[in-house]
Amino acid sequence: DVKVTQSSRYLVKRTGEKVFLECVQDMDHENMFWYRQDPGLGLRLIYFSYDVKMKEKGDIPEGYSVSREKKERFSLILESASTNQTSMYLCASSLRTSGRNEQFFGPGTRLTVL
Amino acid sequence: GIQVEQSPPDLILQEGANSTLRCNFSDSVNNLQWFHQNPWGQLINLFYIPSGTKQNGRLSATTVATERYSLLYISSSQTTDSGVYFCAAAAGDTGRRALTFGSGTRLQVQP
Repeated sequence: DVKVTQSSRYLVKRTGEKVFLECVQDMDHENMFWYRQDPGLGLRLIYFSYDVKMKEKGDIPEGYSVSREKKERFSLILESASTNQTSMYLCASSLRTSGRNEQFFGPGTRLTVL
Repeated sequence: GIQVEQSPPDLILQEGANSTLRCNFSDSVNNLQWFHQNPWGQLINLFYIPSGTKQNGRLSATTVATERYSLLYISSSQTTDSGVYFCAAAAGDTGRRALTFGSGTRLQVQP
């Protein structure tokens, strides 16, 4: 079974702190994604990586950066956390091949910024 | 980008009833998935179905790619089926690999 793990289920940080959210997958997937989910706004893509050291901006990249130094790990970084970044963060991974590109999600991290 | 619309937004059923959830999408797709979000927020994969028909127990799904819609069928519903069901798609020819999610169908199954 594909397993996607996230470093924390719940996280509380203060405004201005630098926050790291870590995601690890164990199925040698090329693609990894970070989404956030907010009531009334649904799930939205923040960043996407299709290979080590490669990244693409999603729909709402402002205030975030990412790092992918190893194939299995994709980190989301909040450079200076703000209250409007309080949200549920979901990581996902998939193979790159069309027809085999089912995405699998981690359990999510509920981040609260005070 | 691709648009994904789900209907109905809310559905209340009695235990044992059947239901059909619909997902319309605006472009050709290389990925179409159905998810159930559990009370803790995790997205559980139900079907990966860019085309065709699949069944898994009481659940089945059909995607008619040429007409740009997918259906999720739940038969003999149980209270544990309650929750939010999402359809998500990735467009076939834009190169964008990320999923675009519909707004979900909130299902409540009453005993």
